[in-house]
Amino acid sequence: QSALTQPPSASGSPGQSVTISCSGTSSDVGGYNYVSWYQQYPGKAPKLMIYEVTKRPSGVPDRFSGSKSGNTASLTVSGLQAEDEADYYCSSYAGSNTYVVFGGGTKLTVL
Amino acid sequence: QVQLVQSGAEVKKPGASVKVSCGASGYTFTTYYMFWVRQAPGQGLEWMGIINPSSGNAVYAQRFQGRVTMTRDTSTSTLYMDLSSLRSDDTAVYYCARGGNLGYCSGGSCYAFDYWGQGTLVTVSS
Repeated sequence: QSALTQPPSASGSPGQSVTISCSGTSSDVGGYNYVSWYQQYPGKAPKLMIYEVTKRPSGVPDRFSGSKSGNTASLTVSGLQAEDEADYYCSSYAGSNTYVVFGGGTKLTVL
Repeated sequence: QVQLVQSGAEVKKPGASVKVSCGASGYTFTTYYMFWVRQAPGQGLEWMGIINPSSGNAVYAQRFQGRVTMTRDTSTSTLYMDLSSLRSDDTAVYYCARGGNLGYCSGGSCYAFDYWGQGTLVTVSS
C-alpha cells in the first residue's frame, strides 16, 4: 500500500482538462512544498513533470500544472492530447526519517 | 546531454545477491545526489535510498536497511546498487535517478528526480 493516495484512473476527451489528486498527511504533502509529479509510459522510465508543487522543468508543456491545498496535491492537465495518456505518479518529501514517499499511480486515459 | 545507462537484466535465485550499475555522463558526476527507485511488476514506485556521489555517504529506506548497499566509482562516474538476500518480492525494475545539485538543494528540494536510467529488470525465481 502506497503512502500517498491517488485515484487508480482518470479520463478525459481531447481538449478537456483533467485533475489528478494525491492525498497525504501533514507529515508529507501537507508539511512540505516538495511535491513532484512523474509521467510514465508503459515500459519506460518516469519523467519529471512538476516539482516543488508548481514548478515545471524546461521542456514540459504549460498544459501541465500543479497545486496543493492542505494535505492534498493536484496535477491538472489542460487541453488534453492523445500523447498525455500515461501513468502519473506523485511523490512528496516526508522529512529526515522517511525521506520520500510515492503515490500508487493514476492511469490517465484520453477518450 | 545527461544520460544514465544501467546494466542489463538479471535473473537470480532466492537468497542470492544482485549488483546493478548506473553509468552517468553529460554532467559533473560528483555534483548531484543520486537515488535508486524500484517498481514491481504492475505496481507503483518505491524509493530505496540516496547517495552523495562526492562523499560516498548513503542513506537507505528503512525497509531495505541491512540488505542494500549503494556505492560509487568517481573514476568511471558509475553508481552501484547491491541488494542481498533476494526474495521473490524483490522482482522489480530498478532505476537510478538524479536528484538535486549538492551545492544548491537542501532538504526536500533535493528529492525531485530530473533524469532517470532506463531501468534494470531483476527477476528472483527458483
